[in-house]
Amino acid sequence: NAGVTQTPKFQVLKTGQSMTLQCAQDMNHEYMSWYRQDPGMGLRLIHYSVGAGITDQGEVPNGYNVSRSTTEDFPLRLLSAAPSQTSVYFCASGGQGGDYEQYFGPGTRLTVT
Amino acid sequence: GENVEQHPSTLSVQEGDSAVIKCTYSDSASNYFPWYKQELGKGPQLIIDIRSNVGEKKDQRIAVTLNKTAKHFSLHITETQPEDSAVYFCAASKGNSGYSTLTFGKGTMLLVSP
Repeated sequence: NAGVTQTPKFQVLKTGQSMTLQCAQDMNHEYMSWYRQDPGMGLRLIHYSVGAGITDQGEVPNGYNVSRSTTEDFPLRLLSAAPSQTSVYFCASGGQGGDYEQYFGPGTRLTVT
Repeated sequence: GENVEQHPSTLSVQEGDSAVIKCTYSDSASNYFPWYKQELGKGPQLIIDIRSNVGEKKDQRIAVTLNKTAKHFSLHITETQPEDSAVYFCAASKGNSGYSTLTFGKGTMLLVSP
């Protein structure tokens, strides 16, 4: 099993550009989530999904969009990148909810100039 | 919503010493408390977790204690080794449905010196 994979590993965007961060898992988990990690801020939940076709907002959803068309994939879209979105983004999957072990991907380091 | 406070933010110990990281949570309905270890350049990885029906759990050199009344839980690492150096995160979650989410503390950077 590959576990949770994320692409790309690194990305530089200009302000106003859009892009999609990809996340895939091969563990048949219903629950998937996106976090951003900033220095001194820990991990903050952006969006999560409890199954195909079902998504909900986390703590910091503004400026991000998600969809879940399959169990395996959970892409995160930046609609119009801003410097405040410079961060490391982690995708995670785990069982049926946040009260199960979460398996994190290797992360995407995004810089917005 | 849930708020998780974690202390200290940095912790330096000598190899062989014990390390303790403490967390408090605000929502008395929270019932699942995992600890994650993040090595440089990698995603966090679960090292131990505890549910609210248990007061203590051990796994070799790692233990977690939970005080529901005081709403705090702690990670204890004994006989620390240089490979224990990493950032550690506590988290809290409530509910047993698919809609439960994790709230993380801000992390503790542990440095174990040889």
